Amino acid sequence: EPEVTQTPSHQVTQMGQEVILRCVPISNHLYFYWYRQILGQKVEFLVSFYNNEISEKSEIFDDQFSVERPDGSNFTLKIRSTKLEDSAMYFCASSEFQGRGEKLFFGSGTQLSVL
Amino acid sequence: DQQVKQNSPSLSVQEGRISILNCDYTNSMFDYFLWYKKYPAEGPTFLISISSIKDKNEDGRFTVFLNKSAKHLSLHIVPSQPGDSAVYFCAASVQGGKLIFGQGTELSVKP
Repeated sequence: EPEVTQTPSHQVTQMGQEVILRCVPISNHLYFYWYRQILGQKVEFLVSFYNNEISEKSEIFDDQFSVERPDGSNFTLKIRSTKLEDSAMYFCASSEFQGRGEKLFFGSGTQLSVL
Repeated sequence: DQQVKQNSPSLSVQEGRISILNCDYTNSMFDYFLWYKKYPAEGPTFLISISSIKDKNEDGRFTVFLNKSAKHLSLHIVPSQPGDSAVYFCAASVQGGKLIFGQGTELSVKP
């Protein structure tokens, strides 16, 4: 079965540094998402992306965050200046369609640790 | 954000018996509800969904029941197998791809 691939699986960074989390969505999917899960908390929506534009974002997704689809296969999440509270598991997801209960396919996640 | 709540952090069931995982929600605008399963070191995996206009959806050993008046849904797994041991997330959507997740329930199926 096709899958969403995320790299790296673990990322350790110093506070204030920039990080880029990478994802390769399933090839025929058109909708892309980032979610995160802080340890012990819920999985939270960050942003959705379609047709090279952000279609929706949460209040968490402030000016420190950006997303990009630099080529036909990669989808990235950049955090410009990391804070301690950005430490979390970040999940990329993709779907072929949107809405009507369309299932999202999630990657295995990138564990980000900000020191 | 408490729009989707799973009040039981854990559940332990004997192999072969029924597992019932519960979920409550507050937003009557949710149009679909989904259940995801998550193993350690993996991302959530879709299990089953239900439209808000239905009250039951079945897929093999998994059945989801929706009670709109009570704003409650449940996932039934019959019979439970040790391989079902995982964290189960209830999620809801409002006419879009954004999902709002519950806190998860860790299911342990004992042989």
